[in-house]
Amino acid sequence: ILNVEQSPQSLHVQEGDSTNFTCSFPSSNFYALHWYRWETAKSPEALFVMTLNGDEKKKGRISATLNTKEGYSYLYIKGSQPEDSATYLCACFSGGYNKLIFGAGTRLAVHP
Amino acid sequence: NAGVTQTPKFQVLKTGQSMTLQCAQDMNHNSMYWYRQDPGMGLRLIYYSASEGTTDKGEVPNGYNVSRLNKREFSLRLESAAPSQTSVYFCASSEVGDDPYNEQFFGPGTRLTVL
Repeated sequence: ILNVEQSPQSLHVQEGDSTNFTCSFPSSNFYALHWYRWETAKSPEALFVMTLNGDEKKKGRISATLNTKEGYSYLYIKGSQPEDSATYLCACFSGGYNKLIFGAGTRLAVHP
Repeated sequence: NAGVTQTPKFQVLKTGQSMTLQCAQDMNHNSMYWYRQDPGMGLRLIYYSASEGTTDKGEVPNGYNVSRLNKREFSLRLESAAPSQTSVYFCASSEVGDDPYNEQFFGPGTRLTVL
């Protein structure tokens, strides 16, 4: 099974800071890249499903970009709020394995 | 709509005991999945069911069995629990299996400890 790497593993920021983190994935046979948001004691929920190289998606203060040629995606949060505290998971459908492969996640803590 | 529900939320087992984790979805999805999530690792696929009546092994199937009881329900059974199966288990569903563009919908998870 191919690897999906997320960095950093954890991140602490102050309320109002903007932040970003990275997901690296196999670029061969790429179909889609998913971002999920997982709050403690809740279910992971989909943020974005991205398919095209150069794609950029936005939901409120959260946005994501995709580079399928080099195999990475960035997730950006503008003006972080305490309610953004969660683990952000990325998952890709690529590399010849026809199921989603999940990264270990980036755990974000936003301090008031 | 409840979405994806899982029972129980927490369970403690002794080594060698058996149990079944239950999952149900009310979104009329065709595909359902069981994952386990361990510290420092991504969600790993145990088994999946692309449609009612079919099941297939995922990345880490050893020690588990599944049953797709009907379109709504997908259960995961541990026949003889081992400490290595201590984990958080997530059930998920999606509209169409093997479709990379379908987002998955997750249940709240079952936290299992095997002593």
